[in-house]
Amino acid sequence: GAVVSQHPSWVICKSGTSVKIECRSLDFQATTMFWYRQFPKQSLMLMATSNEGSKATYEQGVEKDKFLINHASLTLSTLTVTSAHPEDSSFYICSARGQENQPQHFGDGTRLSIL
Amino acid sequence: GDSVTQMEGPVTLSEEAFLTINCTYTATGYPSLFWYVQYPGEGLQLLLKATKADDKGSNKGFEATYRKETTSFHLEKGSVQVSDSAVYFCALRDSGYSTLTFGKGTMLLVSP
Repeated sequence: GAVVSQHPSWVICKSGTSVKIECRSLDFQATTMFWYRQFPKQSLMLMATSNEGSKATYEQGVEKDKFLINHASLTLSTLTVTSAHPEDSSFYICSARGQENQPQHFGDGTRLSIL
Repeated sequence: GDSVTQMEGPVTLSEEAFLTINCTYTATGYPSLFWYVQYPGEGLQLLLKATKADDKGSNKGFEATYRKETTSFHLEKGSVQVSDSAVYFCALRDSGYSTLTFGKGTMLLVSP
């Protein structure tokens, strides 16, 4: 089946640094990729939607300059958390989809801890 | 707007017990419905889906039927196993939209 690889799975870094998370579709072309944030014991909150070659569409309340999303190819999207602070600590999950009527496939998530 | 409501957990069962996790939805269009499962420390995996009324999605012994009249998509399994312990998310994708709307998730704990 369709596989989405997310890397790294866990990252710990100091406050003020920037962190990049990669999301790759391994065996299909991802026309659209989604980035979610999940707080402990909470549901997934959609942060942004990105289509290959276009600027990401951010959900209300998500800071574009804080969470930089790039979707430069049909198999790779990146989320960069800039100048990360402890409140950015969370579980970030990406998903990818081929055509419009196809299901989303999720990565295994990245646990980000900012000290 | 669209929304998904799931029963709160955790749901605690003994192995081989019958499972039901309730899910109801509101949508402006004619949505597709999904159940995802999340094992500890992992992302979400699609468990099953249904795209139109009266469709039944099934996978790994789990089933859910798209009930338009009650706007529900309850998840059932006849005999749960310890390995089924996870968080289950009900979700919908409304017609004409790309994004999924998730419920808050229901944790299932199965003891031997």
